[in-house]
Amino acid sequence: DAKTTQPNSMESNEEEPVHLPCNHSTISGTDYIHWYRQLPSQGPEYVIHGLTSNVNNRMASLAIAEDRKSSTLILHRATLRDAAVYYCILRDSTSGTYKYIFGTGTRLKVLA
Amino acid sequence: EAGVVQSPRYKIIEKKQPVAFWCNPISGHNTLYWYLQNLGQGPELLIRYENEEAVDDSQLPKDRFSAERLKGVDSTLKIQPAELGDSAVYLCASSEGRGTEAFFGQGTRLTVV
Repeated sequence: DAKTTQPNSMESNEEEPVHLPCNHSTISGTDYIHWYRQLPSQGPEYVIHGLTSNVNNRMASLAIAEDRKSSTLILHRATLRDAAVYYCILRDSTSGTYKYIFGTGTRLKVLA
Repeated sequence: EAGVVQSPRYKIIEKKQPVAFWCNPISGHNTLYWYLQNLGQGPELLIRYENEEAVDDSQLPKDRFSAERLKGVDSTLKIQPAELGDSAVYLCASSEGRGTEAFFGQGTRLTVV
């Protein structure tokens, strides 16, 4: 299974954009890039996913490098409720395993 | 729509005792996952079901852990006997099918004393 590397922690000021990086240099052509986040005392929740093109939804944007070896989750205006651990996960679409392999993630602290 | 429901939310037991966790997935979701999460770590997959079939249980410690998903709906994860090192949060998740977004429950926090 391909691995991802994320910074252990990041800080952001409230109402400012946040860029959360993820490196995945061993990504294969069939791996989807998924982002989940985990609020305190909650289970993880889906944020966004993509394959090659940049993606936008109501929660965030996902920018994928042209060589797909890295990606960035963008929160356009951080709020205090965005303080969570953010996980970048690669999910193989062809092996039949369809399992999410979580790393340790990035703990985002939002400052008021 | 109700999300993934897990019970109990918290459980404290003495070592060597048995314990069971219950999960009710979102209606219509064929895929069900059980994860274990240690403090400060990301979740680790224990077992994945497609309907009632366990299709990936390679990470489940089968000497003491067991799981079942009768009729392809609710699922139960059991530990017998529990050890101190089993203290963790046990998460259940479900999805419509392979490759789709997974929805997680709030988890059961197990403390073994």
